[in-house]
Amino acid sequence: EVQLVESGGGLVQPGGSMRLSCTASGFTFTTSEMQWVRQAPGKGLEWLSYISNSGTTINYADSVSGRFTVSRDNANNSLYLQMNSLRVEDTAVYYCARSTSYYHDGLGYPLFDSWGQGTLVTVSS
Amino acid sequence: DIQMTQSPSSLSASVGDRVTIQCRASQSIRSYLNWYQQKPGKAPKLLIYAASALQSGVPSRFSGSGSGTDFTLTINSLQPEDSATYYCQQSFSIHRSSFGQGTKLEIK
Repeated sequence: EVQLVESGGGLVQPGGSMRLSCTASGFTFTTSEMQWVRQAPGKGLEWLSYISNSGTTINYADSVSGRFTVSRDNANNSLYLQMNSLRVEDTAVYYCARSTSYYHDGLGYPLFDSWGQGTLVTVSS
Repeated sequence: DIQMTQSPSSLSASVGDRVTIQCRASQSIRSYLNWYQQKPGKAPKLLIYAASALQSGVPSRFSGSGSGTDFTLTINSLQPEDSATYYCQQSFSIHRSSFGQGTKLEIK
């Protein structure tokens, strides 16, 4: 069974830093592309970051580019999100997700097929 | 970046009704459109991918259609357990994905 478990959330002051972890099990992590998505309280889903299976290709949403850093440790089936210069508006539940492709009519269609339970990050003084 | 716009932002319907949710992309995404269902306190769950392909285990009352920039999620014969928020997602640019703002469905 595919399982993703986030950890590391909590309360942090504005301007502070926090590192989130996502531990994967039940699938071959080393060949999986991974993503981070967040959801502010009462708001919608916001895509944050993509990392390829090898970690060589990385993308960020403009809202976190330059402040957040995604990384992975394939030897330990782990994904990370280092968050610096945190702002009140970064308060959210942070999800890690596996992205893969399902095939339909002969074409591969990317999607997020597995999600963690989320970890809450609260940025407040 | 590709912007996704959903409508309506919320709706209320009765058990047995048919409801539709619209999603529009800021540029053509062909059929690279997914729909997710999210219930309070839970992670999103994949319903439909490739605009119209039903994810395994999802009831057949859910269906998707559209291509290019305009897409629709239809729920036939609404059930109480369909109360949730629904999100569309473009996967045309999966390395820089984006979601619609969500549609909250309430069952009367």
